Amino acid sequence: LAKTTQPISMDSYEGQEVNITCSHNNIATNDYITWYQQFPSQGPRFIIQGYKTKVTNEVASLFIPADRKSSTLSLPRVSLSDTAVYYCLVVSLTDSWGKLQFGAGTQVVVTP
Amino acid sequence: NAGVTQTPKFRILKIGQSMTLQCTQDMNHNYMYWYRQDPGMGLKLIYYSVGAGITDKGEVPNGYNVSRSTTEDFPLRLELAAPSQTSVYFCASTGDMNTEAFFGQGTRLTVV
Repeated sequence: LAKTTQPISMDSYEGQEVNITCSHNNIATNDYITWYQQFPSQGPRFIIQGYKTKVTNEVASLFIPADRKSSTLSLPRVSLSDTAVYYCLVVSLTDSWGKLQFGAGTQVVVTP
Repeated sequence: NAGVTQTPKFRILKIGQSMTLQCTQDMNHNYMYWYRQDPGMGLKLIYYSVGAGITDKGEVPNGYNVSRSTTEDFPLRLELAAPSQTSVYFCASTGDMNTEAFFGQGTRLTVV
């Protein structure tokens, strides 16, 4: 299972763009990159998933370079309600089939 | 559509007592998971299941047991509660490994 590394915390002001980079150097060919968001006292919520290049939805964008050894979650124009922990996961369709493991995540704090 | 339902939401146990945390999903998902989350930490995978009748250990299985007799239900059993098992427990399910996982609201367990 590919190990992920992401910053422990990030601070931002309202209206700014927040970019969280996750390293996954030993990602395998069939692995997907998935991001979750967790608010206090709630279970994580799926944000976005990608395999390569760029994926965008109404919440965020996910940038994945050609070598796929890292990925960047981009949150445009954050608000106070974006304060949460963000988890980067590598989902394996071959190795460790079935496991869904979370790391420590990145605590994002948005202030006025 | 209820999604993933966990019961109870809160529980206080005495050391040595046993209990079962219930988890049920109505999405016909094959994959189900149990996590624990200690204060200020990420989620740790306890057990997971890739289908009815199939379970496997995660990162922190000691002190817990699971069963998966049906697609819908994935109960987590604590046989001899210890203070170290004080935590918030989350159940999750997903239909496929490369699709989003849905989480329950969590069970806050305190062992005294």
